[in-house]
Amino acid sequence: AQSVTQLGSHVSVSEGALVLLRCNYSSSVPPYLFWYVQYPNQGLQLLLKYTSAATLVKGINGFEAEFKKSETSFHLTKPSAHMSDAAEYFCAVSDTPTDKLIFGTGTRLQVFP
Amino acid sequence: DTGVSQDPRHKITKRGQNVTFRCDPISEHNRLYWYRQTLGQGPEFLTYFQNEAQLEKSRLLSDRFSAERPKGSFSTLEIQRTEQGDSAMYLCASSTTGQGSTDTQYFGPGTRLTVL
Repeated sequence: AQSVTQLGSHVSVSEGALVLLRCNYSSSVPPYLFWYVQYPNQGLQLLLKYTSAATLVKGINGFEAEFKKSETSFHLTKPSAHMSDAAEYFCAVSDTPTDKLIFGTGTRLQVFP
Repeated sequence: DTGVSQDPRHKITKRGQNVTFRCDPISEHNRLYWYRQTLGQGPEFLTYFQNEAQLEKSRLLSDRFSAERPKGSFSTLEIQRTEQGDSAMYLCASSTTGQGSTDTQYFGPGTRLTVL
């Protein structure tokens, strides 16, 4: 069975600091991995996805993630945090790009001025 | 592309009542998904359709829940005899498969259900 573990339910950074949100996956087949962002009282917006092409994936708003098979990880990073990055971030895994998504429990990012 | 829309955005009901939610996917998206998100948790898969066929249902989808997509376009999710534990955000998403697919599920804004 597939699963995703997000380490750290809350992450706080200063504006301009590095953002690192951790995601580890478990999958019996080559996984497809996604990061979504959710702003208060809104649906989910795709940040980026890994679908077995390049292991370093660039997404919107300056975010990127690296697929590391040896570490079963897909951590999300951004070199310099902005106040507008404050939101809930979810990592998800699926068997195929359009199959059901299995989500982690989320990480709430706070950005301080 | 007008995005995925859901109606209503908020629903407050009393325990034991029936509720129905509607989801309109992005035009020509053949797959439609329902997820449920409780406070402080990630979304959990409930069911999905390819065109009008319901392909998979989660064990979370008890017999009080039913979903339909009669013409392969919009979908409805009905909860009968609501319980307080049904209080959650119900999210709908859509995607395409095959040629032209962007390998992405696009989510609607959700319907927040509160059962009193």
